[in-house]
Amino acid sequence: GAGVSQSPSNKVTEKGKDVELRCDPISGHTALYWYRQSLGQGLEFLIYFQGNSAPDKSGLPSDRFSAERTGGSVSTLTIQRTQQEDSAVYLCASSLARQGYSYEQYFGPGTRLTVT
Amino acid sequence: AQSVTQLDSQVPVFEEAPVELRCNYSSSVSVYLFWYVQYPNQGLQLLLKYLSGSTLVESINGFEAEFNKSQTSFHLRKPSVHISDTAEYFCAVSDMKTSYDKVIFGPGTSLSVIP
Repeated sequence: GAGVSQSPSNKVTEKGKDVELRCDPISGHTALYWYRQSLGQGLEFLIYFQGNSAPDKSGLPSDRFSAERTGGSVSTLTIQRTQQEDSAVYLCASSLARQGYSYEQYFGPGTRLTVT
Repeated sequence: AQSVTQLDSQVPVFEEAPVELRCNYSSSVSVYLFWYVQYPNQGLQLLLKYLSGSTLVESINGFEAEFNKSQTSFHLRKPSVHISDTAEYFCAVSDMKTSYDKVIFGPGTSLSVIP
């Protein structure tokens, strides 16, 4: 079946512009995660959606970052007034996830964001 | 809050030599533990996981990891590495009781296998 897809694969934007990154999770997966991967920094947790619960936004680095998940499926990560330090690969992952059990996360290919 | 430490950022090793990639986590409560691998120019994928039962878990390509609760460690080992094992390896943990499905990743270890 189809895996997690992300678009665009690459995005180059000027400092100060807004960008939207899209994630299509695997159908039926209730949990969706956004991470940021910077060179030499590993994976930085950004935000987590689980079903209809309020999202865990504890990893968002500033109020310029926001995310939504419509209809429990597609998610959009928005970065307003981009800065050069926002340049990174943004990864989306989804999993089944139910209480008392932790399922494997399936990762998308990522969106490479470059802010010039 | 849960955190994961991978002490070695880069590990070079000769082909067919053994390797150990170290992972320690912060919390002593019940946890789920994972190793993910990212091959060059590919996405992350699960290598192996510990959920319960035997503390020694294995992957299909010869890696193994042992959960040590007293030392809060989950080190990854392979007795003989191949060139194809060159990749970035990430240790990850989730808290079984409070946030079972929120996974925290370590900074990663870059394994380079030298021919």
